[in-house]
Amino acid sequence: QQQVKQSPQSLIVQKGGISIINCAYENTAFDYFPWYQQFPGKGPALLIAIRPDVSEKKEGRFTISFNKSAKQFSLHIMDSQPGDSATYFCAASIDRGSTLGRLYFGRGTQLTVWP
Amino acid sequence: DAGVIQSPRHEVTEMGQEVTLRCKPISGHNSLFWYRQTMMRGLELLIYFNNNVPIDDSGMPEDRFSAKMPNASFSTLKIQPSEPRDSAVYFCASSLALTAGGVGNTIYFGEGSWLTVV
Repeated sequence: QQQVKQSPQSLIVQKGGISIINCAYENTAFDYFPWYQQFPGKGPALLIAIRPDVSEKKEGRFTISFNKSAKQFSLHIMDSQPGDSATYFCAASIDRGSTLGRLYFGRGTQLTVWP
Repeated sequence: DAGVIQSPRHEVTEMGQEVTLRCKPISGHNSLFWYRQTMMRGLELLIYFNNNVPIDDSGMPEDRFSAKMPNASFSTLKIQPSEPRDSAVYFCASSLALTAGGVGNTIYFGEGSWLTVV
């Protein structure tokens, strides 16, 4: 059973456009929501993360929007660039107890930004 | 800074052979994860260790898979015997699992071991 559901599976955006990737979860015990970025031939790397006590977090062109009541969170990439072309994974974890550090990943979104 | 180091980077082996993947986590990290990535199933957690102790191995596909962490700086994932359906990228990752209420547990991934079983 997929603990975190991610959409779309693939996304094509023109340079300068906004890329939006959405994720949903069911387990209300999740309290840490990171996004990972993976380039071909590389391992995933942390991009940005949020905790449920805030509704938005921005780092440069990347913003996470978090809706606790809807159990949804999304990644927005403003002014998308060809260098942003990668696979993006949302994830969630219960940041305490025996599951400390264990991430549940979405299936990934392959983003292509056309120049 | 040395990241998570995995070896081999690429391996092609024949069905039935034993495969051993190796991982050196980031120094000082206390949690280690083995993931498998395929197009069909995405990123799957196979097993994770905390302070060298296996915490959750429910993702290990079957008895052909085994993982060990004899010390804080080394882990292996073994497949014996290997099958074509085991072909995937296997990632090792590590983190410093902080106590609850910390800044969040960033997991650092290695570059993966690309396994092809023919």
